[in-house]
Amino acid sequence: EPEVTQTPSHQVTQMGQEVILRCVPISNHLYFYWYRQILGQKVEFLVSFYNNEISEKSEIFDDQFSVERPDGSNFTLKIRSTKLEDSAMYFCASSDGPNTGELFFGEGSRLTVL
Amino acid sequence: ILNVEQSPQSLHVQEGDSTNFTCSFPSSNFYALHWYRWETAKSPEALFVMTLNGDEKKKGRISATLNTKEGYSYLYIKGSQPEDSATYLCASSKTDSWGKLQFGAGTQVVVTP
Repeated sequence: EPEVTQTPSHQVTQMGQEVILRCVPISNHLYFYWYRQILGQKVEFLVSFYNNEISEKSEIFDDQFSVERPDGSNFTLKIRSTKLEDSAMYFCASSDGPNTGELFFGEGSRLTVL
Repeated sequence: ILNVEQSPQSLHVQEGDSTNFTCSFPSSNFYALHWYRWETAKSPEALFVMTLNGDEKKKGRISATLNTKEGYSYLYIKGSQPEDSATYLCASSKTDSWGKLQFGAGTQVVVTP
């Protein structure tokens, strides 16, 4: 069964360092997302991406964050200068569109900022 | 209601018993209600996407109902099995941003043999 895959599963970084989280969405999907869950809190939306551009972003998604689809398969989330409060589980998701409206999630990448 | 709320936060069920729990969500500009089953260290598994008031969906022993006018959904597990142990998340979306899901905190279900 097709699935969304994410790497790395866990990354530990020092505050101020750049981090790139990678995702391979389901191959025929056109809509891509990043969500995150800070420990003990709800899963929250970060950004949606369609047709090679951001279609919507949350207040959390400031200038320190960026997304890219560098080739036909990968979808990346970059955090330029990590802060302690960026520590969270980051989930990538993909969808084939509003007709089904279904989002398929990866297993997540746990980011720990020290 | 502005947020998605789930209750109870957790519940313990004896194997073979049936159980249900609720999700309340903002009813204005409603687009869809999603249920996910999430086991630790795995990806959230999509159970249902429901859009119409009165929708009822079923997948094996799990079923869900939707009331968009009053903004709630129920998830039912019939004859609970230990493999049903997981956190069940609901999430709603609005018509102007169908892929932007607003999640509840989840209901953690533990089924004991």
